[in-house]
Formats: sequence, structure tokens, C-alpha cells
Amino acid sequence: EPEVTQTPSHQVTQMGQEVILRCVPISNHLYFYWYRQILGQKVEFLVSFYNNEISEKSEIFDDQFSVERPDGSNFTLKIRSTKLEDSAMYFCASSMGDIAQYFGPGTRLTVL
Amino acid sequence: SQKIEQNSEALNIQEGKTATLTCNYTNYSPAYLQWYRQDPGRGPVFLLLIRENEKEKRKERLKVTFDTTLKQSLFHITASQPADSATYLCALDSQRGGFKTIFGAGTRLFVKA
Repeated sequence: EPEVTQTPSHQVTQMGQEVILRCVPISNHLYFYWYRQILGQKVEFLVSFYNNEISEKSEIFDDQFSVERPDGSNFTLKIRSTKLEDSAMYFCASSMGDIAQYFGPGTRLTVL
Repeated sequence: SQKIEQNSEALNIQEGKTATLTCNYTNYSPAYLQWYRQDPGRGPVFLLLIRENEKEKRKERLKVTFDTTLKQSLFHITASQPADSATYLCALDSQRGGFKTIFGAGTRLFVKA
């Protein structure tokens, strides 16, 4: 069964450094998402992406964040200058539309 | 703004019984509502989606109801098993026709053998 993959599984970085989290969505899906989940808290929407542009973004998704689909398979989330509070699990998801979203296993980001 | 409320207290039930989880929402009328399962350290797994014009949806031992008047969805697991122990998340589209999904905090379910 096709699945969403994410790399790396764990990323440790120093505060102020840039990180890129990578995702390979399910191949025939059209909509792509990034979420984050701080330990013990709920899953929070960051951004949705369709037709090579951002569809919607949350107030969390400020100028420090950007997304890109550099080729036909990868979907990336970049955080330009990481802060301590960016430490969280970051989940990528994909869907065909207003139906099931399929989530990846997540990248645990630790900012020191 | 939209608000989703799920029972923050864990639900403990005996194997074989029916687990019923509640999701209430306010300040909004979603076009659809979804339920996901999340195990510790893992990504959410889609279970069921129910649209505003549907009252009930079933999939194997799972049943979801959607009452747009009460602004409530109920999620039932019949003949529960210890393997059903997980956190169950309710989610809805925050804007009709949009692609911003808002998740509830989830309800932790423990099924005892």
C-alpha cells in the first residue's frame, strides 16, 4: 500500500540554524500539508499546498517557514532560523481532496 | 474562531464493550468531519469521514454519527479490543471549501483485557 515517507526521522539543530524537512507524498495525490505537534499537545495545521502554490496557512506559518515542491515527488518544509519553540514533531500529509489525509511517520525536530 | 472539544479525560473500558467518544464543535458548520487514530510517536491514521448531509457512517467495527444541529459527532468502536487502545482525534475543515484542517486534542482510549 502506498504511504507517505519523511526524512529525516530525527533532526537536531542549533537555535538560529536553517532546517529542511523532506516528504514524499503518495504519488497520485494532489493536496499536500504540513502539521506540527508539540509534545503532549494537539496536531496543529501549518500549511496546505495545491497546484504548486500555498492554499492556506495558519498564523504559525510565518515568514520563517516556507514550502516547496522542487520536483514531481518531494515536498519540503524549510524553517529559516529555528527557535527553541520550533521543537516538535512535524508531519507531512497528502490527500486527493476533501477526503482522507494520509500522514507520514513524522520528523522529530529538536532545537538546542 | 472554530473550536473543537473532545473529552480530555481518558476512557477506560473492558474488552468486548463498546467505546463511545464525543466530539463537539462551536462557531462553525463544517462540510465534513473526520476521525483519526494516533499511537504514541506516530502520525495520525485516517479512520472515517462523514459529510454534513450524512447522519451515520460505518466501517467494520467503527461507527460515526454526525448531528449538525447539536454540533456533535459520536465515534463508536464495538467489540473493543486491547489493540484499539490509542488516542482518537476528531478533525474538521475550518473553512468550507478550504483545505485547513483543525484537530481536536483527542481522547485517549484504554481497552483492558
